[in-house]
Amino acid sequence: GNSVTQMEGPVTLSEEAFLTINCTYTATGYPSLFWYVQYPGEGLQLLLKATKADDKGSNKGFEATYRKETTSFHLEKGSVQVSDSAVYFCALGKSGNQFYFGTGTSLTVIP
Amino acid sequence: DAGVIQSPRHEVTEMGQEVTLRCKPISGHNSLFWYRQTMMRGLELLIYFNNNVPIDDSGMPEDRFSAKMPNASFSTLKIQPSEPRDSAVYFCASSPNDRGSHNSPLHFGNGTRLTVT
Repeated sequence: GNSVTQMEGPVTLSEEAFLTINCTYTATGYPSLFWYVQYPGEGLQLLLKATKADDKGSNKGFEATYRKETTSFHLEKGSVQVSDSAVYFCALGKSGNQFYFGTGTSLTVIP
Repeated sequence: DAGVIQSPRHEVTEMGQEVTLRCKPISGHNSLFWYRQTMMRGLELLIYFNNNVPIDDSGMPEDRFSAKMPNASFSTLKIQPSEPRDSAVYFCASSPNDRGSHNSPLHFGNGTRLTVT
């Protein structure tokens, strides 16, 4: 079947620390992969995406590379800010408008 | 681009009452999704429409829940009668994907926080 597994939270980091949130997936065929961010009281917003193997998605200093050999799409940022505190969701998209979301990872960045 | 618009933002109602949640998708998007988010169960897909036609309603929890999409710019999710366990944040999302593609992401509204007492 199709599924996404992401690391359990919560994650607490100091400002300017390096961030990694792990995401692995199981899928048949050739899915697209996404990272979404959810700030308190808001909906999920697309952070970045990759549509094929070896693609790197990037936005606002965040990056993730579509690794087919390890079925992974880990989210990284070199230096987090307090404003990055949010919940991050890894997601997989398949043909037929099928989307599968991870359970979310809460990140808190302290000054 | 106004984004996906949901109303109301907050709804508090008593058990047994009817609740109607509304959604306006992004213009030109032909797929619309209703999700429910709770701490216990995370994000759950309730129903998905393509070109105003319900394609997958297997996530609708029970007959108390119904959804309609009378035209390309409007959808409703109705709960009748409501129960305390329906308390959650309900999100509407849209995408330009047709049924054969998956490369475009979902665009979410800001949700309706429903509290049933």
